[in-house]
Amino acid sequence: DQQVKQNSPSLRVQEGRISILNCDYTNSMFDYFLWYKKYPAEGPTFLISISSIKDKNEDGRFTVFLNKSAKHLSLHIVPSQPGDSAVYFCAASVLGNTPLVFGKGTRLSVIA
Amino acid sequence: DTGVSQDPRHKITKRGQNVTFRCDPISEHNRLYWYRQTLGQGPEFLTYFQNEAQLEKSRLLSDRFSAERPKGSFSTLEIQRTEQGDSAMYLCASSLRSASSTDTQYFGPGTRLTVL
Repeated sequence: DQQVKQNSPSLRVQEGRISILNCDYTNSMFDYFLWYKKYPAEGPTFLISISSIKDKNEDGRFTVFLNKSAKHLSLHIVPSQPGDSAVYFCAASVLGNTPLVFGKGTRLSVIA
Repeated sequence: DTGVSQDPRHKITKRGQNVTFRCDPISEHNRLYWYRQTLGQGPEFLTYFQNEAQLEKSRLLSDRFSAERPKGSFSTLEIQRTEQGDSAMYLCASSLRSASSTDTQYFGPGTRLTVL
């Protein structure tokens, strides 16, 4: 039973356009959400997070949106750059205080 | 600024052998986590420590797995009598948990284990 789902295994976007990566969760106790980026043969790198008391958090080119009623969050990357090509993982925890539950990841390819 | 480090980066072993991995967290971090990642999956939680206390173990962690964090600094993960199904990337993460902060975890580069 997957509590965090990333239903798109891959996404191709042209350089300069917006990348939108989606994540759904089933556990209503989750209240802290994170996005990580992973290159091959490296560990995940923290990108951005959001607490359930907010519906948006922005950091440079990266914005995360949270829709609690739909149990859905998304990561927007604008503008997309070739260096953004990686696997992106959505993760969630309870009270920001428990081990993370990860989705299976979405492979983003940004094409020049 | 030194991040989380893991050693070794790669380990190839024969089935039935024991292996031990080491993780050095970010120096001021009080929490340390172990995760395992297999191909096509996200990281899966194994166990975590707050200081030297092991607070939780996943049911994924069979009796062949043991983890320690003896002085609340580095940690070791040992796998006894390895099986081919243990082949995976083993990831360590650390965080600073306090009353006023949420638990953002920072990951090391991982140890890739191959069991022949």
